[in-house]
Amino acid sequence: KAGVTQTPRYLIKTRGQQVTLSCSPISGHRSVSWYQQTPGQGLQFLFEYFSETQRNKGNFPGRFSGRQFSNSRSEMNVSTLELGDSALYLCASSSNLAGVDNEQFFGPGTRLTVL
Amino acid sequence: AQTVTQSQPEMSVQEAETVTLSCTYDTSENNYYLFWYKQPPSRQMILVIRQEAYKQQNATENRFSVNFQKAAKSFSLKISDSQLGDTAMYFCAFMKHSGANNLFFGTGTRLTVIP
Repeated sequence: KAGVTQTPRYLIKTRGQQVTLSCSPISGHRSVSWYQQTPGQGLQFLFEYFSETQRNKGNFPGRFSGRQFSNSRSEMNVSTLELGDSALYLCASSSNLAGVDNEQFFGPGTRLTVL
Repeated sequence: AQTVTQSQPEMSVQEAETVTLSCTYDTSENNYYLFWYKQPPSRQMILVIRQEAYKQQNATENRFSVNFQKAAKSFSLKISDSQLGDTAMYFCAFMKHSGANNLFFGTGTRLTVIP
């Protein structure tokens, strides 16, 4: 079974631009969660999508948004980039079947650098 | 709100020895999951071990075991027979049992296994 894939792996943008990151979950997984990892703030939850609906949201500004498609692939978008948005963005997928193992499987991450 | 605290930013251990990583958490939830994740220098986050709060028996996975003390809100990870491949960042994480996949992470412990 293929693992979680994230594209692109590396990205360089300038302040004020916007960026879209993509995550393809493990086949059959319906839940996709996004996390931001920085040296200063550590790992922070951004949002979770399940069956195309945002089910849970972390404490990030509205510049951070996401969506999920019918095939469970998810994208996150960051508009009006700021220097502080430089981070490793991780996505994780889970089958999240009721009463079943809810282990999250992580992708390799997208390293975003904002100049 | 849930918080996870890892008080050891860095640790080292001799190859083949045993090391214990500490984690405490704070929550008002009664039912939840606890995890230890490993993030090697390659950056792919991997689940090491998980514990369900309603299970009193401590989880074990080969050389990895936990000491789960629910009343003390403590969840330490013991690595036996340490191997060079265990060198990584280790994150303790908490998740509610509610069905939403939102992991709360600690700040991590950087473990170095010395040959």
